Amino acid sequence: AQSVAQPEDQVNVAEGNPLTVKCTYSVSGNPYLFWYVQYPNRGLQFLLKYITGDNLVKGSYGFEAEFNKSQTSFHLKKPSALVSDSALYFCAVRDKYNNAGNMLTFGGGTRLMVKP
Amino acid sequence: EAQVTQNPRYLITVTGKKLTVTCSQNMNHEYMSWYRQDPGLGLRQIYYSMNVEVTDKGDVPEGYKVSRKEKRNFPLILESPSPNQTSLYFCASSLRTGAANTGELFFGEGSRLTVL
Repeated sequence: AQSVAQPEDQVNVAEGNPLTVKCTYSVSGNPYLFWYVQYPNRGLQFLLKYITGDNLVKGSYGFEAEFNKSQTSFHLKKPSALVSDSALYFCAVRDKYNNAGNMLTFGGGTRLMVKP
Repeated sequence: EAQVTQNPRYLITVTGKKLTVTCSQNMNHEYMSWYRQDPGLGLRQIYYSMNVEVTDKGDVPEGYKVSRKEKRNFPLILESPSPNQTSLYFCASSLRTGAANTGELFFGEGSRLTVL
């Protein structure tokens, strides 16, 4: 079984400050990890993914995430937040050996609010 | 432009009146899937399809049907909608299936359904 937890329903940060959106996961094998962003009235957009290799992955719009195997975490980060980063963020996981349905399991989402 | 297109985007209907939400992708993707999004629950998979004429249940299939007669189309059918199916629905696609797929899902813009 695979699962994802996003412990914060909402994260508030001032524009220009660094931001972190937390994600922890559980899989029986090796994880593939993803971050998606959802703007109002839009579908989910892919931000970045970890498959293998370097634990720090960089994605769109200046976001990055760090894979930590010992803590089973994949937190999303950005050095300097913009008001336009305000959106709903979803972490997702797939067990590398899960061939059934190519299924991604999504977290409950974290709303990021960046204030001017 | 590569995209996943859903219709209708918004629909208000009454209990028991059959409806279909269409989904079409123009990327020649093998894999397609339907999700519903509910506050605090993230995205939950309803049905998925690994290829033409190959469909299977996700986490929450009750009350829904799907078909995959053509590679590009994957309609979601609610034979007798009930109020607990009021939700935001997303169609998604991916190039490959199974272990070969390390890639991300591409999402439609969403269909907001209200069942009275």
